[in-house]
Amino acid sequence: AQKVTQAQTEISVVEKEDVTLDCVYETRDTTYYLFWYKQPPSGELVFLIRRNSFDEQNEISGRYSWNFQKSTSSFNFTITASQVVDSAVYFCAPPGGGNKLTFGTGTQLKVEL
Amino acid sequence: DAGVTQSPTHLIKTRGQQVTLRCSPKSGHDTVSWYQQALGQGPQFIFQYYEEEERQRGNFPDRFSGHQFPNYSSELNVNALLLGDSALYLCASSARGLQETQYFGPGTRLLVL
Repeated sequence: AQKVTQAQTEISVVEKEDVTLDCVYETRDTTYYLFWYKQPPSGELVFLIRRNSFDEQNEISGRYSWNFQKSTSSFNFTITASQVVDSAVYFCAPPGGGNKLTFGTGTQLKVEL
Repeated sequence: DAGVTQSPTHLIKTRGQQVTLRCSPKSGHDTVSWYQQALGQGPQFIFQYYEEEERQRGNFPDRFSGHQFPNYSSELNVNALLLGDSALYLCASSARGLQETQYFGPGTRLLVL
């Protein structure tokens, strides 16, 4: 079955620290896109990044960066200089077949002053 | 540019009743997906609609049905409600195409008593 594993259930950091969220996934698709979403306490899922599987170049966008390695099926997400507003549950979402997204239980990030 | 909207925001029903949730997609999007998120879990894919037809379905019983209208808005209907149907129901819209980015609405919180 296609699934995603976010082994870190909860991470606590102090503001301005860098934090990396891990994601390992399984998929039967040979080419696919991977996504990261953020869910603040309000409940709305906020899109962060979309990455295709055939380009392993890692990128940086503002305070966000990601490390994608297809050989190990990992898609890790880093927030640089974390802020209190980054506190949320973060979901890695690989494809679940077709257009459906597969979500794990997410990683709860708490950023404290 | 309006994002994805959902109504109502909250709903309380009793077991055995029926419920209808509504979603309007982001401007320019013609595809709508529905997800169920139980407390402490990640979202689970229910189904996806485009061109007014159900195109993909997750592992949900037939009590869960939907509809898409010519203006691309969508409804999720749940019959014979069970206590276990209590959850946050999220609607996501996207452009047509494989694994396009899905943008989520604020959700409808359903409580079944």
